[in-house]
Order: sequence, then C-alpha cells, then structure tokens
Amino acid sequence: QVQLVQSGAEVKTPGASVKVSCKASGHTFSIYGFSWLRQAPGQGLEWMGWTSSFNANANYAQKFQGRVTMTTDSSTNTVSMELRSLRSDDTAVYYCASSVSAWDFFNPWGQGTLVIVSS
Amino acid sequence: EIVMTQSPATLSVSPGERATLSCRASQSVGGNLAWYQHKPGQAPRLLIYVASTRATGVPARFSGSGSGTEFTLTISSLQSEDFALYYCQQYNNWPTFGQGTKVEIK
Repeated sequence: QVQLVQSGAEVKTPGASVKVSCKASGHTFSIYGFSWLRQAPGQGLEWMGWTSSFNANANYAQKFQGRVTMTTDSSTNTVSMELRSLRSDDTAVYYCASSVSAWDFFNPWGQGTLVIVSS
Repeated sequence: EIVMTQSPATLSVSPGERATLSCRASQSVGGNLAWYQHKPGQAPRLLIYVASTRATGVPARFSGSGSGTEFTLTISSLQSEDFALYYCQQYNNWPTFGQGTKVEIK
C-alpha cells in the first residue's frame, strides 16, 4: 500500500517562497503521478497541479501558473511543490496525493502540511 | 471550470440510520466522480471512484450512484466512525470539489 509522508509546518512572510515535500513508499515510484491540493481555512479543497514521476511532465492549474513548480526525485521517491511570491491568502493546509494523471481521483493522500503566511 | 454543488451542507443523523448525500455538477462529468471522507487533522480518504466503485477497504455500507450531473453517496447504517466531512470531486476536466457535507450526530 502506498504511503505519503509530507514535510512539516512552515511559517513564511509575504513575498517569500515555500517548498513542501512528500515522500512516497510502498510502491514503484515511477509508475504514478502526484497532485498537489490545498485547503485554506474555512474553504474547500483546491487542486493546484499534477506532475508525472515517470517523465517529470507537469500540469498546473491556471490560477497558479508562473508561481508554482512541482518536481520529482526518483532517487529519493520524493515529490516537491514550491510556491513563490506568497500572500496571506496562501495560508492553507497543502496535500500531496497520488493520481495516475492530472484528470483523476486521488488515492492516497499525504497527511497535510500547514503553511502560514504572515508578516 | 466545472462547479460541484453538494447538499445539504450539514446532515444530522442518528447512529444506525441511513444518510444520503447529493452532489450536482454544473455540466456533465460522465461517471468521473469520486467521493472522499475527511476527518479533522487527517488526510482525506477515497471512498468511491467512477461514481460507484468502492475503494479498497471501504465498507459495503458506503455506496455511490449517479452519472452525468447528479450523484449520490449513501451510507446505509451510520457507524460512530462515519461522522465526518464528505466531499465529491469530478475529474472529467481539471479536478474540482464540492464544498462538502458535514455528517453530524443527531
């Protein structure tokens, strides 16, 4: 069974960048892809984008294009998401989740990483 | 963007009773619909995909139905561990989620 373990909580100031990592275990890393999603306080779930662990191709939601980069490292079975030019409304719990393609359901999910953006 | 609308926002149910949750899509998503259970402080858990297929390990009291724009998640006999938030998600296009239905103890 695939397990995803994410990095710990982060506190950032506006304008900074944050990088959240997600380590996969229990399956062949390169046959899956990974999506990143987030949930701001009191808000619903929002898909940010997807990256292939096979060829590193990525698809980003239009809202985040130019501000997000998703990468994979097959040597450590880790996928990462960097979000730049942080704003206060980027405060959210960020999740990685396994999905075969960008248009797919998500299973399983990581435990979530709280990112707080505050001056 | 396909907008997903869930109803009701909150459902109060007694243990052992049936719960019926609805999800509507702003345009047809075919059968590309998933349901998740989300408890505070935990990762969301996939329950149903392709509208009606239970994920591995999901109890048979959970069932999904529907196609096109109207979908339903039914929990046949609520157990204490079932009180949680439930989200629907379409993946016929860029993934979008409903706002969730909170199932609470009556």
